[in-house]
Amino acid sequence: DIQMTQSPSSMSASLGDRVTITCQASQDIGNNLIWFQQKPGKSPRPMIYYATNLANGVPSRFSGSRSGSDYSLTISSLESEDMADYHCLQYKQYPYTFGAGTKLELK
Amino acid sequence: QVQLQQSGTELVKPASSVKISCKASGYTFTSNYMHWIRQQPGNGLEWIGWIYPGNGNTKYNQKFDGKATLTADKSSSTAYMQLSSLTSEDSAVYFCARGSGYNPFAYWGQGTLVTVSS
Repeated sequence: DIQMTQSPSSMSASLGDRVTITCQASQDIGNNLIWFQQKPGKSPRPMIYYATNLANGVPSRFSGSRSGSDYSLTISSLESEDMADYHCLQYKQYPYTFGAGTKLELK
Repeated sequence: QVQLQQSGTELVKPASSVKISCKASGYTFTSNYMHWIRQQPGNGLEWIGWIYPGNGNTKYNQKFDGKATLTADKSSSTAYMQLSSLTSEDSAVYFCARGSGYNPFAYWGQGTLVTVSS
């Protein structure tokens, strides 16, 4: 199975900060990666698909990038509504696998 | 608009089975894969498998072979997942999700909480 190593597991940041979360894939996944945001008691919401594409309705402060086997989700200027858990998912190879998640909190 | 409406909370006994549903609306049910995902309390997400309602084909995460069975009823646009031989480890929230274009997990149901307890 492809392992998705997500870091950090948790972080605290201030409003207006630039925040970056990373997933490292254990094998080549091409750009077959999605970033999700999940708030307590809610379903995951896709934010970025195919590594770099903004999903419908997602604010432009969110972006996705890739460097080799490292995939990053960046929030350019943190807003209070961005406090949530974030997950990455690879859908290149079965079984599809998620990262362990990042809890983003307000400092 | 696309909607995936899942069935309600289940409280079930160990060693029993449960069948949860995901009713689709707002799109052609038979033309998109339906995925199922598990989220155990305090844990991350796990992909269980998919079903293609158009022909009933399925693909499972080997971890869930023998645990989960995916079916679909085209007449009611409803996907089902049966979980068998339940243990406390199966207590989780289960989600259905379908894709759109290049995003295979674009739309999600609201989740179904399954609690296994005697």
